[in-house]
Amino acid sequence: QSVLTQPPSASGTPGQRVTISCSGSSYNIGINNLKWYRQLPGTAPKLLIYSNNQRPSGVPDRFSGSKSGTSASLAISGLQSEDEAVYYCAIWDDSLNGHVFGTGTRVTVL
Amino acid sequence: EVQLVESGGTLVQPGGSLRLSCAASGFSFSDYWMTWVRQAPGKGLEWVANVKEDGSQKHYMDSVRGRFAISRDNPENSLFLHMYSLRAEDTAVYYCARERTDSSGYFQNSYFDSWGQGTLVTVSS
Repeated sequence: QSVLTQPPSASGTPGQRVTISCSGSSYNIGINNLKWYRQLPGTAPKLLIYSNNQRPSGVPDRFSGSKSGTSASLAISGLQSEDEAVYYCAIWDDSLNGHVFGTGTRVTVL
Repeated sequence: EVQLVESGGTLVQPGGSLRLSCAASGFSFSDYWMTWVRQAPGKGLEWVANVKEDGSQKHYMDSVRGRFAISRDNPENSLFLHMYSLRAEDTAVYYCARERTDSSGYFQNSYFDSWGQGTLVTVSS
C-alpha cells in the first residue's frame, strides 16, 4: 500500500492527450519535488520528469508534469504507440524518511 | 557513458543471506548518492535503501530496516546491498540507480537518473 495513489490504468488513441494523476499528502507531495518514471515491459525504469515539471535531455516535450497542493499529474500529449508502458510517480516522504513510488499506471494506446 | 551493472542475484532459502553488487562506471562514483530499488514479479517499483556519497548517511524502507545493509566502496566504484533473514516477499528484481540532486540542493529532492539492468533475487525453499 503506497502513500502515493495513481489510477491503475489510462488509455487513449494515437494523437490524444492522456493525463495521469498522483495523489499524496503533506508529508510528500505537499513539501518535496515529484518525479515521474516510465517502465517499458522487461526493462529498467527511465526518468521522465524531475523537480515536478523538468524534463531530462532527450525526453520529448510531449511529456509535462505539474503539481498543486498534495496532488500532481503527468500529461502525455500526441500519444504514440511507443508510449505504452507503466508510469510511476515518486517522491521523498518526510514521515517515512525515504523515497516512495506510486502504485503505477499502465497506459494503453488503443 | 554512465553504466551500472548489478550482480549477485540468485535463488536463496528463506532465512538465508545474500550480497548484491553494483559496479559503476562512466562517472565520478564518489560524487553521488546511490540507491537500490526492487520490483517483485508483476508488481510495482519499491524503493529499498540509499547511501550518501561518503557512506555517512543511509536510509531504509521500513520492511528491510534491520535486515538489509547498504554500503559502498568508492575506490572500487561499487555499491552493495547485504541482505539477511530473507523472506519470500523479498523476491524481486533489484536495481541500483544513481541519485542526482536537483537545483534545490536537498537530497530529499534527488531523482534517479541512471539505472542498471537489475538482478533477480528469488527467496524460496
